[in-house]
Amino acid sequence: DAGVTQSPTHLIKTRGQQVTLRCSPISGHKSVSWYQQVLGQGPQFIFQYYEKEERGRGNFPDRFSARQFPNYSSELNVNALLLGDSALYLCASSLVDNEQFFGPGTRLTVL
Amino acid sequence: GENVEQHPSTLSVQEGDSAVIKCTYSDSASNYFPWYKQELGKGPQLIIDIRSNVGEKKDQRIAVTLNKTAKHFSLHITETQPEDSAVYFCAASTNNAGNMLTFGGGTRLMVKP
Repeated sequence: DAGVTQSPTHLIKTRGQQVTLRCSPISGHKSVSWYQQVLGQGPQFIFQYYEKEERGRGNFPDRFSARQFPNYSSELNVNALLLGDSALYLCASSLVDNEQFFGPGTRLTVL
Repeated sequence: GENVEQHPSTLSVQEGDSAVIKCTYSDSASNYFPWYKQELGKGPQLIIDIRSNVGEKKDQRIAVTLNKTAKHFSLHITETQPEDSAVYFCAASTNNAGNMLTFGGGTRLMVKP
C-alpha cells in the first residue's frame, strides 16, 4: 500500500509570495495533520482536519490556512511568505483513534 | 499548552551497546506517547508508542517505559546497529487519537561500527 504522499518535494519562493502544498493520505485514513519542521528542531503542529472539518490549529498566524477535500487529500496554503517560513512541511494521516503516519515532506525555501 | 523536553540532544554509542533517550512532559492530561525515527531527507517514521494505561511496551530491540507520576517516558534500544543511526523524536498528545502531537527537540543517535 502507498504511504502518505506529498507534492512538490522541493520548492523555492521569494518573500511575499504565496505557496500551496499538497498531501494525499493513506487509503482509508480520514484525518490529515500538517506540521512545520525547522532545521534542527522537532515538528510543530499547524492544523488537523477530519472529514473536511478543522479539528485543531496550532500557534501559527492567519497567513497559514488549509483545507481537506472529499477524497480526504489536503492542501496547506501560506500567504505573504517570510524568510522564517523556510522549513520542511510534513503531512501526517491517521485513522481517527490510531497512530499518525508521516509523508516525506515538502522542503520550502524562501529567499 | 504541552511542553516536551528531550535529552540528550546527541548520543554516540558503540555497535552492540544500548541507547536510552529520555523525555519529560508538562501536561498531566497527556495520554499518548509515540516515538519517531527520522532519517536524513525523510519524514518521521513511527517506531513504537505507549498509552497512559500501560507502563512498559516492548517490540524486539526497542522498548518504551512511562512514568505518569513523574511525567517522563524513555526509549530503550538494545544491541544497537549502525542502521539505528538517525534522529529520534518523542512526542505527547492529550488526545488518544494521537493527533496534535507536541514533539521534543530530538536526539541524534550515532552508532559506531
